[in-house]
Amino acid sequence: AQKITQTQPGMFVQEKEAVTLDCTYDTSDPSYGLFWYKQPSSGEMIFLIYQGSYDQQNATEGRYSLNFQKARKSANLVISASQLGDSAMYFCAMREDNTNAGKSTFGDGTTLTVKP
Amino acid sequence: ETGVTQTPRHLVMGMTNKKSLKCEQHLGHNAMYWYKQSAKKPLELMFVYNFKEQTENNSVPSRFSPECPNSSHLFLHLHTLQPEDSALYLCASSQAGAMNTEAFFGQGTRLTVV
Repeated sequence: AQKITQTQPGMFVQEKEAVTLDCTYDTSDPSYGLFWYKQPSSGEMIFLIYQGSYDQQNATEGRYSLNFQKARKSANLVISASQLGDSAMYFCAMREDNTNAGKSTFGDGTTLTVKP
Repeated sequence: ETGVTQTPRHLVMGMTNKKSLKCEQHLGHNAMYWYKQSAKKPLELMFVYNFKEQTENNSVPSRFSPECPNSSHLFLHLHTLQPEDSALYLCASSQAGAMNTEAFFGQGTRLTVV
């Protein structure tokens, strides 16, 4: 079974609007961390935001926020006030406490296109 | 600049060539990883190194040979590759055991096998 599922291969959003990128995960480990990364066309993976499984509040970082629903095992990324520079591929990832050397499992990614 | 440097950024090689990809981090991390990202495909974890010891090899063909001489350096030696090996190869590092810290990625090597 896939550990990280991103069901939206591609998303479009109008500039200055908000957009939600979906991510669901599967783990039996009570301790885990969830991450979102942005990958522009240049190829580099850029860390955006982190949510720990025991965190009581949803994580926020500037225009990025994470809608964490633990019971539903979902960790959706919300980008507010979209900018043209937000056009990129976005990956959801998970680190479980019991995994080998802290490796991350990645979803298939969502390509976001911001329209002017 | 993420603290993880990969060289070269681009590489074109023939199927009979031997080349090496280099990754370097000075973040004090103890774990390093190689990922392969083919066009329109998800990231595939290839190798994991923890304190210089290889702890995972995800059924990677032997034409890919990793080397980790110390915690700061990671190499991927390539020989007799196939055209389907053309992809973006990403190196990453992290602090194993610190679950709340993200992985830091290099900018990748875009490899084309001709």
